[in-house]
Parts: sequence; C-alpha cells; structure tokens
Amino acid sequence: DAGVTQSPTHLIKTRGQQVTLRCSPKSGHDTVSWYQQALGQGPQFIFQYYEEEERQRGNFPDRFSGHQFPNYSSELNVNALLLGDSALYLCASSYRNTRYQETQYFGPGTRLLVL
Amino acid sequence: AQSVSQHNHHVILSEAASLELGCNYSYGGTVNLFWYVQYPGQHLQLLLKYFSGDPLVKGIKGFEAEFIKSKFSFNLRKPSVQWSDTAEYFCAVDERDTGRRALTFGSGTRLQVQP
Repeated sequence: DAGVTQSPTHLIKTRGQQVTLRCSPKSGHDTVSWYQQALGQGPQFIFQYYEEEERQRGNFPDRFSGHQFPNYSSELNVNALLLGDSALYLCASSYRNTRYQETQYFGPGTRLLVL
Repeated sequence: AQSVSQHNHHVILSEAASLELGCNYSYGGTVNLFWYVQYPGQHLQLLLKYFSGDPLVKGIKGFEAEFIKSKFSFNLRKPSVQWSDTAEYFCAVDERDTGRRALTFGSGTRLQVQP
C-alpha cells in the first residue's frame, strides 16, 4: 500500500518563473492538503482540495493555486516565483468524514529553490 | 488566528533520560490534536493523535501525550529516550468544531539524544 507520493523531489527555478508540483494521495484517501515548510519552521497550510474543489485556504496569495483530479491526485502551481517561495512543499492526504476526525498523512515533499 | 507554541526549540538528552515536550494552543473551541515526528532524512510521520475520550493517548515507539483542556496543552512524553529518537517533533492542532480541516503546526522541537 503506497503512501503519499510527490514529484519532483527537488526543483530549482529562477525568480518570475512558474512551477507545478504533483501529489498522489494514499490509497483510499479523497482529500489533499498542501503545506509550505520554510527552513527551521513548522509547515504552514496553503489550501485543501476535496471533490476537485478548493475547500479551505490559508494565508497565501493568489499566485498559489491548485487542482484536484478525478483520481484524487493534486497539483500545486506557483506563479511569478519569489526568492521567499524557496521551501519544502508538503502534500498530505486524508479521508474526509462527517465527524471531523481526520488524520493527515504526509508525503516526502518537494524542495523548491528559487534563485 | 489559531496559534500553536512549542517552547522547547532544541532539547539535548542522554539515553534513558525522560522526555517531556511542551505544546500549547490558542483556540478555545473543540480541537483535534496531533504529534508528528520527522526523523533525519525522512518525511513527517504521525506519532499519536487525540480526537476525544481518554485525555492520555499512547502512540508508537513508547510515546504518550496528555490533553489538558484547561491549560490548552498537549504535552508529549516518553519515560526513557533512545538514540533513535533523535528527530524533530511537531505539535499540530485543527479546529474540529469549525469544520476547518487545516492543521496549524508549532515551530517544532529538535531533540538530540546522546548515546
């Protein structure tokens, strides 16, 4: 049973460019969340996708956008990259339930370096 | 906005010493609580979680945590640490009664266990 997978593992971009990161959730999970982890910090919530719609959003600008596909996999897109976007981007998956008792499982992350 | 505080940023212990890592959160409503661990070179893994019921929860590898609602705390404990417990530990909280399924993380505690 594969866990959460992410690609690519590492990425180097220059300021102003655009980047797309990919995530496949754990088998049986239907919800994908994205987090940004700067060096020495805890992860910060970017947004969450369920049923192919953005359901929750953290305090990130519109340059950050995403998508969820019918197979529950997801993409994170960042436009007009800034140096400050350099971070580890984590994908987490979970199974949505009506009792709001859900556990998020994390992938290995994509390390993005913006030069 | 919700905040999570981990007051111990870096803890150094000898093997067999007891461990307690502090976690305090600010949200006054009903919460789900989590501890995640990140071993060197590995991704975030779930250590334990609290949804409801017995406030003392047991996790993997001999870890336990106690939820004290009146103190807004969820401290992590282990009676006797091993060198293999060297890792970064993150406390995370979500706001169950708002339906906000986004985790808010603390800044992490780096634990170094000396043999």
